[in-house]
Amino acid sequence: QKEVEQNSGPLSVPEGAIASLNCTYSDRVSQSFFWYRQYSGKSPELIMSIYSNGDKEDGRFTAQLNKASQYVSLLIRDSQPSDSATYLCAVERMDSSYKLIFGSGTRLLVRP
Amino acid sequence: EAGVTQFPSHSVIEKGQTVTLRCDPISGHDNLYWYRRVMGKEIKFLLHFVKESKQDESGMPNNRFLAERTGGTYSTLKVQPAELEDSGVYFCASSRVQNTYEQYFGPGTRLTVT
Repeated sequence: QKEVEQNSGPLSVPEGAIASLNCTYSDRVSQSFFWYRQYSGKSPELIMSIYSNGDKEDGRFTAQLNKASQYVSLLIRDSQPSDSATYLCAVERMDSSYKLIFGSGTRLLVRP
Repeated sequence: EAGVTQFPSHSVIEKGQTVTLRCDPISGHDNLYWYRRVMGKEIKFLLHFVKESKQDESGMPNNRFLAERTGGTYSTLKVQPAELEDSGVYFCASSRVQNTYEQYFGPGTRLTVT
């Protein structure tokens, strides 16, 4: 079992719709969770971080965390074609280095 | 504020050769991380520097990989001798302080070993 699991997709949504991206993790002691967006051939770009149970909103993005279920999600409202990218879920390993453990990413396609 | 930079963007070498990758973190970021993504796999941790000290090198694949961060500024990752399975994209990331958690990634170096 992978430490961080994501559906590889592609997830296809029409422009203006809500895109829902999901991620589960196996390490119960994890405290910090991140969503990165990666366009093809580019660097992963940090778009959301969440540390507490519940929702965290930033513009069109909402991150949701449920530690009891070991589940973190990202909602993108009013999806735009420019949101088409791979979204990487990352969980911080609670050790001396605070290294990130990544999922394999979900590819999102927003259809015009 | 300039982001994390990496050089070169792409390197093609033959098996058995040596390659050195460079990373310049965001100014003032004491933490520097190296990660790697091989084809079809997720991004995986290689090692972590705090200033010039190696904090964690548990992800380094073997002793063909050598990372340095002299003076606590830029870092180099040398692969010697390179093998076919070393091909992938090598990312560098930096963060401001140990407990900030948020790591910012560079554009990566795509290494192809033929």
